[in-house]
Amino acid sequence: DAGVTQSPTHLIKTRGQQVTLRCSPKSGHDTVSWYQQALGQGPQFIFQYYEEEERQRGNFPDRFSGHQFPNYSSELNVNALLLGDSALYLCASSSDRGPNYGYTFGSGTRLTVV
Amino acid sequence: AQKVTQAQTEISVVEKEDVTLDCVYETRDTTYYLFWYKQPPSGELVFLIRRNSFDEQNEISGRYSWNFQKSTSSFNFTITASQVVDSAVYFCALSEDTDMRFGAGTRLTVKP
Repeated sequence: DAGVTQSPTHLIKTRGQQVTLRCSPKSGHDTVSWYQQALGQGPQFIFQYYEEEERQRGNFPDRFSGHQFPNYSSELNVNALLLGDSALYLCASSSDRGPNYGYTFGSGTRLTVV
Repeated sequence: AQKVTQAQTEISVVEKEDVTLDCVYETRDTTYYLFWYKQPPSGELVFLIRRNSFDEQNEISGRYSWNFQKSTSSFNFTITASQVVDSAVYFCALSEDTDMRFGAGTRLTVKP
């Protein structure tokens, strides 16, 4: 049974560009959450998608947007990239709206902005 | 507001030593969940334990044990007889609703 799959694994972008990261949730999960983990820090909540809608959002600017598809997969889009957007982006899926019954995390996409 | 503090940035021990990772949390809710995750170099966060706020019973799983004390808002994690494979970054996290607040993590290095 496949867990959470994220693509690509690594990405290098230039400041000002736009990027799209992808996530396929674990089989049976319908909720996808995105986290940003800067180097040496803990993950920070970006937003969560459930039933193709953004259900909750963390303290991130509108440059960060997302989408959830009918098959529960999700995309994270970041526009006008800044050097500070360099981080590991983690996707987590669950079978509930929240993490209280357990997230399953992917291995992440490491984004480097130069 | 939620807050999780892991005061120990890095810990280094020799194999077979016991080690305790500290976690202190802040929340205004009476219902919440606490978690510990392990993050190996591959980057994936590996779930270790979940504890809800109404269950203060300590838990032991093999070499791992957890001590939850609401009176001090702490949820500490002890590894007994540490092994090299335990080397990783460990995160404590708190959830009140739909999102999870992580601490900054403790990097544990177990030397042979």
